[in-house]
Amino acid sequence: GNSVTQMEGPVTLSEEAFLTINCTYTATGYPSLFWYVQYPGEGLQLLLKATKADDKGSNKGFEATYRKETTSFHLEKGSVQVSDSAVYFCGAGGSEKLVFGKGTKLTVNP
Amino acid sequence: DAGVIQSPRHEVTEMGQEVTLRCKPISGHNSLFWYRQTMMRGLELLIYFNNNVPIDDSGMPEDRFSAKMPNASFSTLKIQPSEPRDSAVYFCASSFLLFERAYEQYFGPGTRLTVT
Repeated sequence: GNSVTQMEGPVTLSEEAFLTINCTYTATGYPSLFWYVQYPGEGLQLLLKATKADDKGSNKGFEATYRKETTSFHLEKGSVQVSDSAVYFCGAGGSEKLVFGKGTKLTVNP
Repeated sequence: DAGVIQSPRHEVTEMGQEVTLRCKPISGHNSLFWYRQTMMRGLELLIYFNNNVPIDDSGMPEDRFSAKMPNASFSTLKIQPSEPRDSAVYFCASSFLLFERAYEQYFGPGTRLTVT
């Protein structure tokens, strides 16, 4: 079955710093890839997605590119804000259900 | 659309009591998922339904847990009897499944369960 590995946190950055959260997957075939964000006290929200190789998902300044050759879907943002503090989950879905990574907690300090 | 609706948002109960969590998926979605989230174990998939039929319940911890989906707009997760180790946030999510390919899931706000 599919599996997802993402970098362990926590990650602490200063405002306006560059963010990268690594995510790699193993899957048969070509899964769809997702990044979800969870703010304190809330459910997971879809942040961005990519459905085929070389697709770039983007939203709210965040980007991730589907890299088939390296089986990766790293999340990046050029300049983080305090409001980006949350837990980020990478997910892969090639069959009926999604498989999620363990989550990476991001804290952005002013 | 109102999104996925869960109730109650918070539940505090005593050990041994029955707990029922409720979920209303997004209209038109044909798959529904129940997850549990704790600090120790992270996000765990408990069970999921497709077209109201349970497909995979391998994540259900034990026989004390049961889930039903009597129709396309309602699902319940029941714990009987509840134990302190069941304390967690329980999420419901819904999705549209086509040709056995998963699409993005939409999560509800969760039910925070505390068993004392």
